Amino acid sequence: AQSVSQHNHHVILSEAASLELGCNYSYGGTVNLFWYVQYPGQHLQLLLKYFSGDPLVKGIKGFEAEFIKSKFSFNLRKPSVQWSDTAEYFCAVRGSSASKIIFGSGTRLSIRP
Amino acid sequence: DGGITQSPKYLFRKEGQNVTLSCEQNLNHDAMYWYRQDPGQGLRLIYYSQIVNDFQKGDIAEGYSVSREKKESFPLTVTSAQKNPTAFYLCASSTRRSSPLHFGNGTRLTVT
Repeated sequence: AQSVSQHNHHVILSEAASLELGCNYSYGGTVNLFWYVQYPGQHLQLLLKYFSGDPLVKGIKGFEAEFIKSKFSFNLRKPSVQWSDTAEYFCAVRGSSASKIIFGSGTRLSIRP
Repeated sequence: DGGITQSPKYLFRKEGQNVTLSCEQNLNHDAMYWYRQDPGQGLRLIYYSQIVNDFQKGDIAEGYSVSREKKESFPLTVTSAQKNPTAFYLCASSTRRSSPLHFGNGTRLTVT
């Protein structure tokens, strides 16, 4: 069965600090990987996705993620965070032979102005 | 504009009553999903449907039921058998298996 682990439940950073949020998944085959973001009071929206090809994918608002197959990881990064990045971030995985998308427990990111 | 509409935004029910949450999409998406969001637990999959008149259980289907009689609609019924129904419910859709999900704004259900 597929599963997703996000080990950081709450991350607090100052503006301009670098960000890395961890995501590890469990699935024996090819996967599609996603990062979603939920800003306060807003609906979930897609930040970036990986299907195949270049393991370093770039998304909206300066975010990027790197797929490392040997580590079953898909960590989210941003070189310099802004106060507006305050949100909850969810990693998600879909196995290539599966129809369902499974989400991690989420990481709440708080940015100090 | 195309999108997913969930109604109502807030719903209150007494324990022991069934309640149905609405989800409508005008994106012409084939697949639709229901998730439950609880603090610290992320999104957990309740039910999903790839085509009309077909649906599959997710990870936490007990106490819930769905129907998919029309492509654009995927209502979720929270039955009295659901032991902890108070939660935030999210509906989503996608075009095909490999595409990302589009989410609605959610329904917050409170059962007392």
